[in-house]
Amino acid sequence: DGGITQSPKYLFRKEGQNVTLSCEQNLNHDAMYWYRQDPGQGLRLIYYSQIVNDFQKGDIAEGYSVSREKKESFPLTVTSAQKNPTAFYLCASRWGNTNTEAFFGQGTRLTVV
Amino acid sequence: AQKVTQAQTEISVVEKEDVTLDCVYETRDTTYYLFWYKQPPSGELVFLIRRNSFDEQNEISGRYSWNFQKSTSSFNFTITASQVVDSAVYFCALDSSNTGKLIFGQGTTLQVKP
Repeated sequence: DGGITQSPKYLFRKEGQNVTLSCEQNLNHDAMYWYRQDPGQGLRLIYYSQIVNDFQKGDIAEGYSVSREKKESFPLTVTSAQKNPTAFYLCASRWGNTNTEAFFGQGTRLTVV
Repeated sequence: AQKVTQAQTEISVVEKEDVTLDCVYETRDTTYYLFWYKQPPSGELVFLIRRNSFDEQNEISGRYSWNFQKSTSSFNFTITASQVVDSAVYFCALDSSNTGKLIFGQGTTLQVKP
């Protein structure tokens, strides 16, 4: 079945450690997105990529990094520079610049312990 | 700058009541797209509808209807005869054809009580 897979579903990280969240899609979509969801703040855009080997910062990119080496993969690294990383992270993908609807993964809940 | 505002943080209704979720957007682009998504407790967002800036026709899909008004920069969502299964967080989103960014509002949590 086609879709977006995020892993792991739950992730615990010690303060000061980097952690990488996985996002894989087999929909052949060009564009991929990472969002952070906090209570009362909706979805905030971290990074997005419209094509392989290219990506742009969203509204809250500080403390995060991404790569887009393959069309189907868009991993997000939460670095130790991110001061408040505990949140729910959602990955999405869609066809390129055609303004189509985005498809979402089931999310990763990251907790700093 | 683009912005989406959903002023209603939480709404609680009793089953069979009608409910309207408000969405106000800001953009300088003449071509843009608006979306509504539903997020059930499982966490995955589900697409409901897309509207482009040139099509102001209202749309109805079963118990769902959408009212797009460019004059007030609003794209409101109405659920008629609400059901308990409608309980979820609903997000409005804006996409500019120039940037490829997809910007979401803060979301409205809808609770439908039996």
